[in-house]
Amino acid sequence: DVKVTQSSRYLVKRTGEKVFLECVQDMDHENMFWYRQDPGLGLRLIYFSYDVKMKEKGDIPEGYSVSREKKERFSLILESASTNQTSMYLCASTGISIYEQYFGPGTRLTVT
Amino acid sequence: AQSVTQPDIHITVSEGASLELRCNYSYGATPYLFWYVQSPGQGLQLLLKYFSGDTLVQGIKGFEAEFKRSQSSFNLRKPSVHWSDAAEYFCAVGAFTGNQFYFGTGTSLTVIP
Repeated sequence: DVKVTQSSRYLVKRTGEKVFLECVQDMDHENMFWYRQDPGLGLRLIYFSYDVKMKEKGDIPEGYSVSREKKERFSLILESASTNQTSMYLCASTGISIYEQYFGPGTRLTVT
Repeated sequence: AQSVTQPDIHITVSEGASLELRCNYSYGATPYLFWYVQSPGQGLQLLLKYFSGDTLVQGIKGFEAEFKRSQSSFNLRKPSVHWSDAAEYFCAVGAFTGNQFYFGTGTSLTVIP
């Protein structure tokens, strides 16, 4: 079974803090994704990566950055957290010949 | 532009009743289509997928979906809903390269006894 894990289920941070969300997959997938999920807006793509050290902006990259130093790990970084970044963050992965995405359990981030 | 529309934000059905969740898509090429389910506080779980071939696909938990190219639709159905089916359901379109996915805004399902 493909497993995608996220470092935290719940996180509370203060405005201005630097926040790291970690995602690890164990199936040697090439592609990894970060989404945020908000009520009524569905899933919106923040960034994705198709290889180590490669990244592409999604629909809402502002205020975020990412890092992929190893194939199995994809990190989302909030350089200076703001209250409008309070959300559920979902990580997903997929292989080149494996078309469906596999999701982690999500991290619910609250910025106060 | 690619897009996925789920016209029903929220649906309420009685336990044992049939269910149909609607999904329409706009995509330039032959789409890969998916339905995911999300239980409260959880990540998304794949229910079923369509790539090619038979337009009626079977998934887990007794769900099925039918691809209708002429209507650009991929509606999800279940003949008899169980209380445990209460969740959020997302339709998605994907590209064959595996790095482009577009999700609908979701349909929240409530099941009443």
